[in-house]
Amino acid sequence: QVQLVESGGGVVQPGRSLRLSCAASGFTFSYYGMHWVRQAPGKGLEWVAAIWYDGNNKYYADSVKGRFTISRDNSKNTLYLQMNSLRAEDTAIYYCARGGYYGDWGPHDYWGQGTLVAVSS
Amino acid sequence: EIVLTQSPGTLSLSPGERATLSCRASQSVSSTYLAWYQQKPGQAPRLLIYGASSRATGIPDRFSGSGSGTDFTLTISRLDPEDFAVYYCQQFGSTPLFGQGTKVEIK
Repeated sequence: QVQLVESGGGVVQPGRSLRLSCAASGFTFSYYGMHWVRQAPGKGLEWVAAIWYDGNNKYYADSVKGRFTISRDNSKNTLYLQMNSLRAEDTAIYYCARGGYYGDWGPHDYWGQGTLVAVSS
Repeated sequence: EIVLTQSPGTLSLSPGERATLSCRASQSVSSTYLAWYQQKPGQAPRLLIYGASSRATGIPDRFSGSGSGTDFTLTISRLDPEDFAVYYCQQFGSTPLFGQGTKVEIK
């Protein structure tokens, strides 16, 4: 069965960096686009970033553009989110989610359980 | 930039009642790229509907989606106790975007 397992969250000071990982299994990872979606405490869902199946196309929300970098290693079936210059408003649960097949935008049909990032001094 | 506005913010209903949730886009959205998700407290979201009206795998047929252009609707024909949750619409074409959510609570 499809599984997505995030890791790497924690407490970090403002201005510092953190890298999240999402280990995928149960499907051919290299065939699918992948996304990061976050949810601040008590708030709604916010899409953060997406990467195409081959890593050649990447997209970002304006709120993280220039600070966050999405990447993937298809040989390791793993998705990453490098987060730099973290701010208090980046505090959230970060979910990885599967997207579309090959180069198509698709709905997020599978989600991980999320990893909490707390930015605080 | 597209904005998705969901209404109402909160819907108070009893089990067995019909729920109608609205998602309005500030500009036309392709139905192909319109989805609905359900989220329960402490859980990850779950895909319910994609392509505006297609149920995802394993979703009961009491859930249905409709609409086109700028107006989309999620209908739960008869609320089951497990359906009380927060529901989000999303357009996932180009850069994805979520609505702010509708909470369906027990009356």
